[in-house]
Amino acid sequence: AQTVTQSQPEMSVQEAETVTLSCTYDTSENNYYLFWYKQPPSRQMILVIRQEAYKQQNATENRFSVNFQKAAKSFSLKISDSQLGDTAMYFCAFMKPYNNNDMRFGAGTRLTVKP
Amino acid sequence: NAGVTQTPKFRILKIGQSMTLQCTQDMNHNYMYWYRQDPGMGLKLIYYSVGAGITDKGEVPNGYNVSRSTTEDFPLRLELAAPSQTSVYFCASSDRVNTEAFFGQGTRLTVV
Repeated sequence: AQTVTQSQPEMSVQEAETVTLSCTYDTSENNYYLFWYKQPPSRQMILVIRQEAYKQQNATENRFSVNFQKAAKSFSLKISDSQLGDTAMYFCAFMKPYNNNDMRFGAGTRLTVKP
Repeated sequence: NAGVTQTPKFRILKIGQSMTLQCTQDMNHNYMYWYRQDPGMGLKLIYYSVGAGITDKGEVPNGYNVSRSTTEDFPLRLELAAPSQTSVYFCASSDRVNTEAFFGQGTRLTVV
């Protein structure tokens, strides 16, 4: 079974600075997807960024980028120019596609952006 | 486009009561899921469905049942509520090709 580990329960960053959230996973699969989801106090789960394991290039979405290290099974999220609205829980997730597409989540990192 | 809609948003149950959490999606997705999120934890998969008439257990299925009679609806049934089922429940859907999962707003359930 796949497991996802987020080793940082809480982090904080000053507004406009950069922060990196860590995620490691364990799998014997070669083809899979990795995700970062954001959960603000509203409880809504919002997709931040997605990475396909077969792609060597790291995914980027505006201020959000990942450092995907397939051999090390590491998938960190970098948030640049942090904004107050980035304050939320962030979950790393693993999916093996084309089967049932179910995702396995890490325990989450609570990020606080300070003014 | 409503996406994934869950009802109710909040519910308090007494031990031993039963209830159904409703979930419907209007994106014609084949795959639907129920997750629970305990305080300070990630989401754990309860049940999933890959299409109408097909359901299967996830990581934590005990105490729950599901059905999938239509593509749109995927209700979750709690038959004999227990305090251990106090949690926030999320329904989600995705299609086979586009792997992004869309989540409902969640249902906060308290069993007392």
